[in-house]
Amino acid sequence: EDQVTQSPEALRLQEGESSSLNCSYTVSGLRGLFWYRQDPGKGPEFLFTLYSAGEEKEKERLKATLTKKESFLHITAPKPEDSATYLCAARSGNTPLVFGKGTRLSVIA
Amino acid sequence: DTGVSQDPRHKITKRGQNVTFRCDPISEHNRLYWYRQTLGQGPEFLTYFQNEAQLEKSRLLSDRFSAERPKGSFSTLEIQRTEQGDSAMYLCASSLPPMETQYFGPGTRLLVL
Repeated sequence: EDQVTQSPEALRLQEGESSSLNCSYTVSGLRGLFWYRQDPGKGPEFLFTLYSAGEEKEKERLKATLTKKESFLHITAPKPEDSATYLCAARSGNTPLVFGKGTRLSVIA
Repeated sequence: DTGVSQDPRHKITKRGQNVTFRCDPISEHNRLYWYRQTLGQGPEFLTYFQNEAQLEKSRLLSDRFSAERPKGSFSTLEIQRTEQGDSAMYLCASSLPPMETQYFGPGTRLLVL
């Protein structure tokens, strides 16, 4: 059964304190690893799609990387507006997305 | 491009009542997905459509749940005889193959009293 595990469950950072979020996945035949941001009471907002090990994508202070078993979301010099829950999801074959439980990020000014 | 829209945004109902939610996908997206999300959890897949055909349903989707996409555009999700355990955020997403990325709507938050 496909599984996605995210760690830590919650992360509290000072403004400017860089860190990484982890997403471990167990899927057969990965056809995409997805990162979303979700603010309270809202739907997930798409950030990145990664398809193969070694791939990296960047957007502002966020950088996503992918290995054969994990993905990392690196946050450089975060700001309070980066506070949100970050969700990771994986897809294999024609199956629907399998999500992790998310990492709740709080960035304190 | 107006994005995925969902209606209503909030619904409060009494146990045993029926409720129906609507989702309008991004125009030209022929795949439409329904997910359910409870507090502290990631979204869980319920069902998806390609055009008007319902191609897959999760075992989470009990007989009280039914989804339709009659003309391959908007979709409805109906829950009959609601139970308190149905309280959750119901999310809709759409995509356009061959791109795999799913874009989500704002969700409908259901509270069953």
